[in-house]
Amino acid sequence: DAGVTQSPTHLIKTRGQQVTLRCSPKSGHDTVSWYQQALGQGPQFIFQYYEEEERQRGNFPDRFSGHQFPNYSSELNVNALLLGDSALYLCASSPLGTSGRLFGSGTRLTVV
Amino acid sequence: AQKITQTQPGMFVQEKEAVTLDCTYDTSDPSYGLFWYKQPSSGEMIFLIYQGSYDQQNATEGRYSLNFQKARKSANLVISASQLGDSAMYFCAMRKGDDKIIFGKGTRLHILP
Repeated sequence: DAGVTQSPTHLIKTRGQQVTLRCSPKSGHDTVSWYQQALGQGPQFIFQYYEEEERQRGNFPDRFSGHQFPNYSSELNVNALLLGDSALYLCASSPLGTSGRLFGSGTRLTVV
Repeated sequence: AQKITQTQPGMFVQEKEAVTLDCTYDTSDPSYGLFWYKQPSSGEMIFLIYQGSYDQQNATEGRYSLNFQKARKSANLVISASQLGDSAMYFCAMRKGDDKIIFGKGTRLHILP
């Protein structure tokens, strides 16, 4: 059984462009959370999706948006990319209300 | 403010020795959970161990144990009999009452042969 899968693994974008990152949760997990991890820092919570709706949101601007599909997979969209958006983006899945979070390997985004 | 503090940016430990990674937390929520994750260079966050705030006993998972001192608000990770494969970044994290998880800045552990 595959765990959490993210695509692509690496991505290079130009400042001002838009990007979409994808996440497939572990089978049986209905909740997806997204995190941004800048170099040398711990992950920062972006938002969490359940039943195709955003349940929680961290301190990120509206340029960061997401979506969850009926099969529980999720997308993270970032508009008007800034150099500071360069980071590892991690997706985590879990059953709703449980403590555990299973993480994917992340997408490394570089904005030039 | 709710936060996680890891005061050791890096540690060097001889193989087969035990190692303790420090973590202190700050929260006013009565119910919370504490995690430790390992992040190798590949980037994946690997779950190691979990401690609930109401758990009476310290959590253990194989070579990993969590030294939970609630009054001191500390949740140190102890790795017994360290191995070369333990070299990685280690993050302490806390699940708050609103179900968000916040992370510390991490400790880079180097195991020396």
